[in-house]
Amino acid sequence: GAVVSQHPSWVICKSGTSVKIECRSLDFQATTMFWYRQFPKQSLMLMATSNEGSKATYEQGVEKDKFLINHASLTLSTLTVTSAHPEDSSFYICSAGETGLKYGYTFGSGTRLTVV
Amino acid sequence: GDSVTQMEGPVTLSEEAFLTINCTYTATGYPSLFWYVQYPGEGLQLLLKATKADDKGSNKGFEATYRKETTSFHLEKGSVQVSDSAVYFCALMRSRGGSQGNLIFGKGTKLSVKP
Repeated sequence: GAVVSQHPSWVICKSGTSVKIECRSLDFQATTMFWYRQFPKQSLMLMATSNEGSKATYEQGVEKDKFLINHASLTLSTLTVTSAHPEDSSFYICSAGETGLKYGYTFGSGTRLTVV
Repeated sequence: GDSVTQMEGPVTLSEEAFLTINCTYTATGYPSLFWYVQYPGEGLQLLLKATKADDKGSNKGFEATYRKETTSFHLEKGSVQVSDSAVYFCALMRSRGGSQGNLIFGKGTKLSVKP
């Protein structure tokens, strides 16, 4: 089956710094990757959709200059939270899908970000 | 806009009890419907899915039927086990005109099964 590895699983950073979260597809080529944010006791909210080699498509209300997404290869997408603030503290989850969706969408295990 | 509403938890059951987690949706067109499960400390895993009206998805003893007339996709299991303790998410996929879409999730329902 398809596996998506997401790192780090948790990170604590100071306000004003930047944090990079990686999402790798280990045994398939992820033509599309999705980045979600989950608040406590809330559903997963889609932040952006990225296709390999092109710019990410951001959902309404998501600041693209703050949440930088790079999908430079078919196996790696990164989300960088720039100039992090305490309100950016959340659980971030990536998911990946391949052409034809043979395996459906595969989710990473998530990253718990705490900004202090 | 499209949305998914599922029953709020937590749900606590004894082992071998019958489980129902309600899920209703609002969407234009004909979305695909999914149930995902998240075990403690792990990522989301696809549990089952249905792509058209009256389809029944099933896996590991869980079932859900796509009911277009009631816009529902309730999750059921006849006899839960302690190992079923997890958070369950109902989701729909809206089409963007191609084979790739994105998922809209409900808030999740935490299930705890006691021995």
